[in-house]
Amino acid sequence: ELKVEQNPLFLSMQEGKNYTIYCNYSTTSDRLYWYRQDPGKSLESLFVLLSNGAVKQEGRLMASLDTKARLSTLHITAAVHDLSATYFCAVDGFEVQGAQKLVFGQGTRLTINP
Amino acid sequence: GAVVSQHPSWVICKSGTSVKIECRSLDFQATTMFWYRQFPKQSLMLMATSNEGSKATYEQGVEKDKFLINHASLTLSTLTVTSAHPEDSSFYICSAARQGFGTDTQYFGPGTRLTVL
Repeated sequence: ELKVEQNPLFLSMQEGKNYTIYCNYSTTSDRLYWYRQDPGKSLESLFVLLSNGAVKQEGRLMASLDTKARLSTLHITAAVHDLSATYFCAVDGFEVQGAQKLVFGQGTRLTINP
Repeated sequence: GAVVSQHPSWVICKSGTSVKIECRSLDFQATTMFWYRQFPKQSLMLMATSNEGSKATYEQGVEKDKFLINHASLTLSTLTVTSAHPEDSSFYICSAARQGFGTDTQYFGPGTRLTVL
């Protein structure tokens, strides 16, 4: 069974600081996704990582993928309050009816304090 | 592009009634749609996968007679919560896999918050 684990699950940090969220998965997967969810809202796609060594950056967020270690990281640089949200990673699981199921991590609730 | 809508965005109903939630892909055809539920402060849990014109595939532990899924066309899937009870109160999110897009990226709808009194 494919399992996806994130840590930390809760993160409270000060504006201007850097931090990293980790996402481990248990079996080989072709793709890894990062999503952001604001309270009461649905998921917003941040990154799709397709290969070993892939690195993508958007603003203060940078995601990387190490398929050999089955690990992805989401790095936050010089955090600002607007980045407060819950962040989920997900990986492609088994194919069903011609499409890949997503298996989600537990989510990391990030709070950035002024 | 790749917009997915859900209707309604929120619904309050009495225990014992049925509620239908629609999921539409607005600007693309989706051969496969997924239905998730999310309890407060928890992750998303896949409930079922539906393909246009065929029966849905339900995840283990999800009652197919309670959560009826109909994938009527390449742009519309519906989830009906039958005889809803307070424990069915949750945030329901659909996603649609874009047909012909090799990466099979899922595009998520905005969610429907169901409250059963």
